[in-house]
Amino acid sequence: GNSVTQMEGPVTLSEEAFLTINCTYTATGYPSLFWYVQYPGEGLQLLLKATKADDKGSNKGFEATYRKETTSFHLEKGSVQVSDSAVYFCALSPFEGGSEKLVFGKGTKLTVNP
Amino acid sequence: DTGVSQDPRHKITKRGQNVTFRCDPISEHNRLYWYRQTLGQGPEFLTYFQNEAQLEKSRLLSDRFSAERPKGSFSTLEIQRTEQGDSAMYLCASSPRTETYEQYFGPGTRLTVT
Repeated sequence: GNSVTQMEGPVTLSEEAFLTINCTYTATGYPSLFWYVQYPGEGLQLLLKATKADDKGSNKGFEATYRKETTSFHLEKGSVQVSDSAVYFCALSPFEGGSEKLVFGKGTKLTVNP
Repeated sequence: DTGVSQDPRHKITKRGQNVTFRCDPISEHNRLYWYRQTLGQGPEFLTYFQNEAQLEKSRLLSDRFSAERPKGSFSTLEIQRTEQGDSAMYLCASSPRTETYEQYFGPGTRLTVT
């Protein structure tokens, strides 16, 4: 089946620290991969995406590379800000049999302190 | 572009009552999705429409749940004979006609069953 595993949270960092949130996936086909972010009191927002192996998605200083050999899509940012405090979700879209649903991980809560 | 809207934002109901939620997708998005999110978990797929056709339903969607998308515009999700286990955030998302099928989420409807 299709599944996503994220590192357990919560993660607490100081401002300007380096961030890595690990994400690995299991899929039977060639999924697209996504990171979504949920800021406090707001809805899910697409942060970045990658649709094939070795693609790098990037947005707002965040990056993630689609690694087929390790079935991973780790999220990184070189210098986090207080405003990055949110819950981050890794997700895949399996495109099996025409299915376009998203399969999400459990989410990782990030808190950035000044 | 006003984004995906959902109504109501909050609903408190007594066990056994029926509830109906509405989702208005971004105009011209022909794909519409419903997800359910419980505390500390990622969203779980419920069902998916392409225009007015319901193309996929999750096994999570019991017979008490029904969704419609008449005329391929807004969608409704009805839960009959609500149970306490139905308490969750119900999320709607829409997607345009692009290859990567990015999904844009609404703010959600929080259901509490007492």
